[in-house]
Amino acid sequence: SAVISQKPSRDICQRGTSLTIQCQVDSQVTMMFWYRQQPGQSLTLIATANQGSEATYESGFVIDKFPISRPNLTFSTLTVSNMSPEDSSIYLCSVDLRQGSEAFFGQGTRLTVV
Amino acid sequence: DAKTTQPPSMDCAEGRAANLPCNHSTISGNEYVYWYRQIHSQGPQYIIHGLKNNETNEMASLIITEDRKSSTLILPHATLRDTAVYYCIVRIQGAQKLVFGQGTRLTINP
Repeated sequence: SAVISQKPSRDICQRGTSLTIQCQVDSQVTMMFWYRQQPGQSLTLIATANQGSEATYESGFVIDKFPISRPNLTFSTLTVSNMSPEDSSIYLCSVDLRQGSEAFFGQGTRLTVV
Repeated sequence: DAKTTQPPSMDCAEGRAANLPCNHSTISGNEYVYWYRQIHSQGPQYIIHGLKNNETNEMASLIITEDRKSSTLILPHATLRDTAVYYCIVRIQGAQKLVFGQGTRLTINP
């Protein structure tokens, strides 16, 4: 299994500001994934973070709004930029230990934009 | 888009078996069926997965029909702590991405 730590666990932010969410894994993984879960909704994949290359974004998500860093095999950050109340969601980090195996998730970051 | 269909909600009595259905009529031959659950305010938790044979682990059993167009997750002795949203996902072995549908909100009643 994998232990995933996300920081912060929750935050309340002013509109127009940016928040960087950190994801730390206790083992080296090739790919890390960032999901968004809007209130009362299911999870939606934002992007796949690859070490040593640009992140791959899903339709509807762009790098300018959600820049991602992946400096090494155990760490990634997701920034939510120029926030608006519509960005209020839970943001989750996920990893696969080996290709095609079960995915492990962090506990999420609950973001409220006011 | 998610390739699975699940009932939006179900109830089950504590101590009884909870049987959660999932339809995946367009599943491909190389796609596995995965089940995750999300307890309130937590990240999703892996439960079980299978290709075509029935599978069992310490958490649950997975029954996949012979034509693979549907499956059932069985929690044999449900407890109050099993109250959660359960997601059925089909995924190509080797693919990384998980596509979540709306899931089934399972409530275990005392």
